[in-house]
Amino acid sequence: EAGVVQSPRYKIIEKKQPVAFWCNPISGHNTLYWYRQNLGQGPELLIRYENEEAVDDSQLPKDRFSAERLKGVDSTLKIQPAELGDSAVYLCASSPGQAEQFFGPGTRLTVL
Amino acid sequence: KQEVTQIPAALSVPEGENLVLNCSFTDSAIYNLQWFRQDPGKGLTSLLLIQSSQREQTSGRLNASLDKSSGRSTLYIAASQPGDSATYLCAVSTDSWGKFQFGAGTQVVVTP
Repeated sequence: EAGVVQSPRYKIIEKKQPVAFWCNPISGHNTLYWYRQNLGQGPELLIRYENEEAVDDSQLPKDRFSAERLKGVDSTLKIQPAELGDSAVYLCASSPGQAEQFFGPGTRLTVL
Repeated sequence: KQEVTQIPAALSVPEGENLVLNCSFTDSAIYNLQWFRQDPGKGLTSLLLIQSSQREQTSGRLNASLDKSSGRSTLYIAASQPGDSATYLCAVSTDSWGKFQFGAGTQVVVTP
């Protein structure tokens, strides 16, 4: 069974540029999560989807971050414009619901 | 707000010793607790999931216990190997939809 797929794995951009991350969850997993992990810290939830509905986006900085999961399968997280403080690893996870979360390899973002 | 603490932040043990990793949380009204492993530059790998009604879970050399009343979970790894070197994170969910609060992790080095 394929795991959670994320791309790109690494991204380096200059501040004020836009950036997008893509995630394809495990087949059949209705719940999808986006996390941000700063160096030396645990991941922090940005947004959670149940199918195509964003049911918890309370920690998403909505002035510059947006996300979508149009068909309830894969998802895109966007930052526009990026700031220096956005440098982090962005992790996607999926779950069959009310159970274990399975994480992708993450996208390491560096903002210069 | 749930706070999750992992102490120590780092430890080093010789190969063959048993590892004991601690996780404490402030709100005992949890739904479940999950232990993860993270290798450098990679995503999180699920190790064990403990539901709030359970006291422990076991998988191979790994055993995790949960004491909700004292707000603690312990991950035991028997007979450590150099391949166990990684950062171990615990995550606590206080609802049925997996809104995890992560600890910062314990970085483990097992020396040959």
